[in-house]
Amino acid sequence: EIVLTQSPGTLSLSPGERATLSCRASQSVSSSYLAWYQQKPGQAPRLLIYGASSRATGIADRFSGSGSGTDFTLTISRLEPEDFAVYYCQQYGSSPPLTFGGGTKVEIK
Amino acid sequence: QLQLQESGPGLVKPSETLSLTCTVSGGSISSSNYYWGWIRQPPGKGLEWIGTIYYSGITYHNSSLESRVSISLDTSKNQVSLNLSSVTAADRAVYYCARARRIAVSQYYFDYWGQGTLVTVSS
Repeated sequence: EIVLTQSPGTLSLSPGERATLSCRASQSVSSSYLAWYQQKPGQAPRLLIYGASSRATGIADRFSGSGSGTDFTLTISRLEPEDFAVYYCQQYGSSPPLTFGGGTKVEIK
Repeated sequence: QLQLQESGPGLVKPSETLSLTCTVSGGSISSSNYYWGWIRQPPGKGLEWIGTIYYSGITYHNSSLESRVSISLDTSKNQVSLNLSSVTAADRAVYYCARARRIAVSQYYFDYWGQGTLVTVSS
């Protein structure tokens, strides 16, 4: 089973700042089969990125994903007020089991 | 516009079976392009994959739950069902159904999610 470790646990930033979120896998994620989701309080997760770097339909271009192997990054170039949320990574290169990271909370500083 | 709606009892007694249904509208669960999955989230915690089913009936389950989990399709009603047996307080969570875009066999990511339903386990 591939374990995904997200860091930091919490990121305190101001609107307009750049956010860099990390997702590290315990083993190489084949074919960069890694996705990122955003979850706001009381809502279901929303797909942001798949295939490590492809934006999902309707996702703003301030969101970008990168990485391969065991190290992946989600970058939000300039935080908008609606971007403060929890972000999860998920690998699907070695499934089952499909696994999620523990999440990174991006909060307003 | 694809929509997924979970339904089922919000309260289940310990040792009984949790049964949820996901009704899909705006798309067919019989498509070979997608899987259909269940994910849960205990209050204040992270996401846990429960299991996934393909239109052919093939299922994949989280091994930590496997012996208790059953997922099925009702194509006539365009519904996906989850049964989780022998529940305990640890099964209290928001349960989400989601559509998964198939990349290859057992490789997929979730592109549409239902709003989720909270299930509490208590006598």
